[in-house]
Amino acid sequence: KAGVTQTPRYLIKTRGQQVTLSCSPISGHRSVSWYQQTPGQGLQFLFEYFSETQRNKGNFPGRFSGRQFSNSRSEMNVSTLELGDSALYLCASSLVGGQGLYEQYFGPGTRLTVT
Amino acid sequence: GQQLNQSPQSMFIQEGEDVSMNCTSSSIFNTWLWYKQDPGEGPVLLIALYKAGELTSNGRLTAQFGITRKDSFLNISASIPSDVGIYFCAGPPIIQGAQKLVFGQGTRLTINP
Repeated sequence: KAGVTQTPRYLIKTRGQQVTLSCSPISGHRSVSWYQQTPGQGLQFLFEYFSETQRNKGNFPGRFSGRQFSNSRSEMNVSTLELGDSALYLCASSLVGGQGLYEQYFGPGTRLTVT
Repeated sequence: GQQLNQSPQSMFIQEGEDVSMNCTSSSIFNTWLWYKQDPGEGPVLLIALYKAGELTSNGRLTAQFGITRKDSFLNISASIPSDVGIYFCAGPPIIQGAQKLVFGQGTRLTINP
């Protein structure tokens, strides 16, 4: 079974621009979560989507948004980029029921650099 | 919110040594997860724990769910070079419907050949 895929793997943007990152979950996984990883703050939860609805949101400004499509694929968008948005953005997918509910499987991440 | 504290923050060991690391919280968790992250990659799930006192192994890795539900431990036996990386503990906060994980700061493992 293929793992979580994320595109692009690397991205360089300028302050003020916007960016869209894409994530395809493991087949059969309907929950998709996004995390930001930085050296200073570690891994921080951004939001989680299930059935095209955002169910949970972390403590990030409104510039960070996301969506999920009917095939469970997800995108996240960051508008008006700031230097501090430079980070590794990780997508994770999981089943929606049973004991595996909290077992999240991560993609390789998108490394975003804002200059 | 619920925070996870990992120790040690880094470890420098010789190949073949056993490794122990732990993760503590001021709040209880019902699930503990251990991940390993290699440079430039996403975290990989190593072990999931669901019951207080549970001891689970995955090859040379053994993890335990603490009795108090406020801690968890990960042991690696007979370390090899490919064990190098950052190990994270994680768990879902006890908030109804919270499908998210909080992570510890990580333990960076370095192995001298």
